[in-house]
Amino acid sequence: DIVMTQSPLTLPVTPGEAASISCRSSHSLVHSNGNNNLDWYLQKPGQSPQLLISLGFHRAPGVPDRISGSGSGTYFTLTISRVEAEDAGVYYCMQGIQSPITFGQGTRLEIK
Amino acid sequence: EVQLLESGGDLVQPGGSLRLSCAASGFPVSGYAMSWVRQAPGQGLEWVSSVTGSGDGDKTFYADSVKGRFTISRDDSRNTLYLQMNSLRADDTAVFYCTKNGGPNWLVRLDSWGQGALVTVSS
Repeated sequence: DIVMTQSPLTLPVTPGEAASISCRSSHSLVHSNGNNNLDWYLQKPGQSPQLLISLGFHRAPGVPDRISGSGSGTYFTLTISRVEAEDAGVYYCMQGIQSPITFGQGTRLEIK
Repeated sequence: EVQLLESGGDLVQPGGSLRLSCAASGFPVSGYAMSWVRQAPGQGLEWVSSVTGSGDGDKTFYADSVKGRFTISRDDSRNTLYLQMNSLRADDTAVFYCTKNGGPNWLVRLDSWGQGALVTVSS
């Protein structure tokens, strides 16, 4: 199974500051079509997870452009340029290159 | 608007069975892969099972932890996804989310999630 490792596990951030979460995979996530099969999800407190980023950097509809994804191969980053209170929650990366689908352990973003 | 509404979550004894349903609206389930993802209390997300869209052959896939015990299926006439769970164990206790994949292939983003159904396995 592909192991997904996120860091940090907890990220306290002051509103207006930038935040970055990294996600490493134990196997390359580059598909034969050139895409990286890496998605990011956010689970806000008391809610279901929601898709933020697909294929490494494509924003889902309604996701603000201050949230961006980057990376390729085995190393990926989710960056929030200016954190807002609504960004609080647990962020998960997920690989979809091979079975079984696996998630990172999650990064809890806390607003100071 | 895409909506996914799970039902069927309950308290069940170890060794028992339960069937979860996920009523979909706003899109045809036959056209997309659909998946179940679970979250044990206080824990992270775990993929459970997927079924591909009819355009990709209606293939099914399972996590090793549920293979042989869980069965995913789809009723296109009811636009509903199911998860039949047998031989339930305490470590199956979790919120089960129904999700819609972004296309007929199952290794594609999970772009919509239901509100979740709580399954508790305990005597």
